Amino acid sequence: KAGVTQTPRYLIKTRGQQVTLSCSPISGHRSVSWYQQTPGQGLQFLFEYFSETQRNKGNFPGRFSGRQFSNSRSEMNVSTLELGDSALYLCASSFGQGGNTIYFGEGSWLTVV
Amino acid sequence: GNSVTQMEGPVTLSEEAFLTINCTYTATGYPSLFWYVQYPGEGLQLLLKATKADDKGSNKGFEATYRKETTSFHLEKGSVQVSDSAVYFCALSGRGGGADGLTFGKGTHLIIQP
Repeated sequence: KAGVTQTPRYLIKTRGQQVTLSCSPISGHRSVSWYQQTPGQGLQFLFEYFSETQRNKGNFPGRFSGRQFSNSRSEMNVSTLELGDSALYLCASSFGQGGNTIYFGEGSWLTVV
Repeated sequence: GNSVTQMEGPVTLSEEAFLTINCTYTATGYPSLFWYVQYPGEGLQLLLKATKADDKGSNKGFEATYRKETTSFHLEKGSVQVSDSAVYFCALSGRGGGADGLTFGKGTHLIIQP
């Protein structure tokens, strides 16, 4: 079956703009989580959604937000982009919560100039 | 809170050498433990996992055993290949009724020379 699909794969934005990234989980998976990967900070957890509700949130400012739709697809939004937001944003899905294996997409590469 | 510590490298080995990448963790309760691999320009791929103490995860010649007494989950492979060159991440997932994100180590960059 198809894996986790993320779009777009690559994008360049200007400081101050906003960006929306999309994620389609593996069929049947109801939990979607997002991670930011940078060379300096490594992989950091952004948030997790289950059944359209945000269940857990990492330590990121309010400029980072997300949502999940009834078909489990998810989007994350970053407003007022800063240079430091340049990163690989990874979406992951799992069947349920807590202890289930998490599968990752290939990521969206965001460059802020 | 939860944390994962692993050697960052780079670790450079010759083909067919024995590989060990150390990983230790701090967590409350009984976490599940994972190794993920990331090839250049790609996302993370699950390599192996273990969900309880003394479990051994294995895949593609890689193995790791969940050691609760030493809070470790070291990755091993008997004979590495050039194609194993990648970044390896140790991670844990907490258990419990709530949603838990994965906590990752910093990653170990592995370079295998022919």
